[in-house]
Amino acid sequence: GQQVMQIPQYQHVQEGEDFTTYCNSSTTLSNIQWYKQRPGGHPVFLIQLVKSGEVKKQKRLTFQFGEAKKNSSLHITATQTTDVGTYFCAGPVNSTLTFGKGTMLLVSP
Amino acid sequence: KAGVTQTPRYLIKTRGQQVTLSCSPISGHRSVSWYQQTPGQGLQFLFEYFSETQRNKGNFPGRFSGRQFSNSRSEMNVSTLELGDSALYLCASKPGQGPYEQYFGPGTRLTVT
Repeated sequence: GQQVMQIPQYQHVQEGEDFTTYCNSSTTLSNIQWYKQRPGGHPVFLIQLVKSGEVKKQKRLTFQFGEAKKNSSLHITATQTTDVGTYFCAGPVNSTLTFGKGTMLLVSP
Repeated sequence: KAGVTQTPRYLIKTRGQQVTLSCSPISGHRSVSWYQQTPGQGLQFLFEYFSETQRNKGNFPGRFSGRQFSNSRSEMNVSTLELGDSALYLCASKPGQGPYEQYFGPGTRLTVT
């Protein structure tokens, strides 16, 4: 069964509002990756986190890896319409990169 | 550097038929993974190939198979197609085994009628 869970499944925000998606694993992960898939597109790698408690920033995006390496989050500050898409987390489970089901973000201008 | 390419981009097949999808990884990448993406199930791992050997396999029936050639190009085959096989099939490549970022191709949209 699905061992990497993401919430929420879907979020609709007004442009300028913040957005957060959460990723939880039933097992400790050696690393976690985040991908973004635009509508009609394919997943594109955003970042990889490896260390316990790690925090990385990419402009308005902040990624965190939990202390126990079982959870992660992606926070977008002041969303823009270009942030629209589905955000996936993925971690190695039983030697395979297992993806969460993703959080679909819709941003209204 | 050219990205991952997949052919064909769109395909319509009938139940019971078989299909072969092709993936050319980024030059120098030796690991190729295949995923099935559907609205209900998200991205499901099919298999990973490295140096022409299948290294990992997801929880899919034996109708799904694949192979990798010496130039790292990969194909996946689905025999005896079922309606539920309708999906976007994505190929991803990375330089080697290990926790590298994956580069996805545009996918093949398969519709089974």
